[in-house]
Amino acid sequence: SQELEQSPQSLIVQEGKNLTINCTSSKTLYGLYWYKQKYGEGLIFLMMLQKGGEEKSHEKITAKLDEKKQQSSLHITASQPSHAGIYLCGADGDRGSTLGRLYFGRGTQLTVWP
Amino acid sequence: DTEVTQTPKHLVMGMTNKKSLKCEQHMGHRAMYWYKQKAKKPPELMFVYSYEKLSINESVPSRFSPECPNSSLLNLHLHALQPEDSALYLCASSQDPLDRRGRYGYTFGSGTRLTVV
Repeated sequence: SQELEQSPQSLIVQEGKNLTINCTSSKTLYGLYWYKQKYGEGLIFLMMLQKGGEEKSHEKITAKLDEKKQQSSLHITASQPSHAGIYLCGADGDRGSTLGRLYFGRGTQLTVWP
Repeated sequence: DTEVTQTPKHLVMGMTNKKSLKCEQHMGHRAMYWYKQKAKKPPELMFVYSYEKLSINESVPSRFSPECPNSSLLNLHLHALQPEDSALYLCASSQDPLDRRGRYGYTFGSGTRLTVV
């Protein structure tokens, strides 16, 4: 199976501060996804990365996949209370799978205080 | 329509009840998934349907019975559940179940919060 380690487990920042969440895989990543979840709700898709060195941005959130495709980072610039929630990284299963099993990291709980 | 719709949003059921969770998408996606998420844990895959056929069952107890009546609908039939089955049940879909390059990603519904009493 695909194992994903996320760090930190929780993060408390003041509004306006920048922050970074990391996701490290035990295997080469073929598809890396970032989702946001409010407690008890569904997952909101943020970004998908596939190519080594790829970087994508949406509003104040930037995600990168390193060249070796075993680590991804999610960076939030000038955080706002609306960024609060649980951030999950997900990865497709092994290349040999006939279907995309999506595995998740344990998540990072982000709190942004005014 | 770019959503996955799950009903009901909340469900409370007794251990002897039979109930069903429903999931619907109209994006033309050919793969649909059921995930179970316990509090403060990541979602865990339960079932995968590909072109309306069950392709993955992650050793889920038989008290959970999935059904895919057509390409837009996915049901999860529940019977004789235990209190430890209380969780958030998430449905997801993806465009092409045979896409090994992960080009399309997964769309998740907002979930059904299930409580077994």
